[in-house]
Amino acid sequence: SQQGEEDPQALSIQEGENATMNCSYKTSINNLQWYRQNSGRGLVHLILIRSNEREKHSGRLRVTLDTSKKSSSLLITASRAADTASYFCALEVAAGNKLTFGGGTRVLVKP
Amino acid sequence: GAGVSQSPSNKVTEKGKDVELRCDPISGHTALYWYRQRLGQGLEFLIYFQGNSAPDKSGLPSDRFSAERTGESVSTLTIQRTQQEDSAVYLCASSLARTDTQYFGPGTRLTVL
Repeated sequence: SQQGEEDPQALSIQEGENATMNCSYKTSINNLQWYRQNSGRGLVHLILIRSNEREKHSGRLRVTLDTSKKSSSLLITASRAADTASYFCALEVAAGNKLTFGGGTRVLVKP
Repeated sequence: GAGVSQSPSNKVTEKGKDVELRCDPISGHTALYWYRQRLGQGLEFLIYFQGNSAPDKSGLPSDRFSAERTGESVSTLTIQRTQQEDSAVYLCASSLARTDTQYFGPGTRLTVL
């Protein structure tokens, strides 16, 4: 299966702590993307990392990609209550722009 | 500019009825995608349009599902003879041709009673 598998499925942390979630996959990819979904809302694109990149930063977000291990991690530093959401990794395989999504990690940031 | 919009935001229907879901992509985006998200699960790809042709329909779960797109704008996803397992949020996304970022609409929550 091309689908990304995310770990953990759920994460509960205190405000100010860091949150780390991982995505593993089985096929070659063109790029890997992370999305956030707040309850009842649509998906918001967070960050895209290409297969030839190893690390990217965007504000409090840090994404790493290890193509040899076929895994990626998303780190949210200094978490805030507003970071409470589900986070999905999505794979773009080489052929076409279709994204294949993982099951998501539900993150709860307690104030 | 305006993002991807979808309508209706919520649809409740009875089993066996047909429903139409609408997606208005970002102006100028030639690629359009439909996804389904069942409660508590990740997204499932349904269909992809490049312009008004659909090179990839591999995700449509059955022949009750169909979609069309007018030119490079509005798309409708039609579900005939709805079943309870069709209940989900249906998300539409669009992107510029051959670029990597898909922009998602807010989704249509479909409930089949």
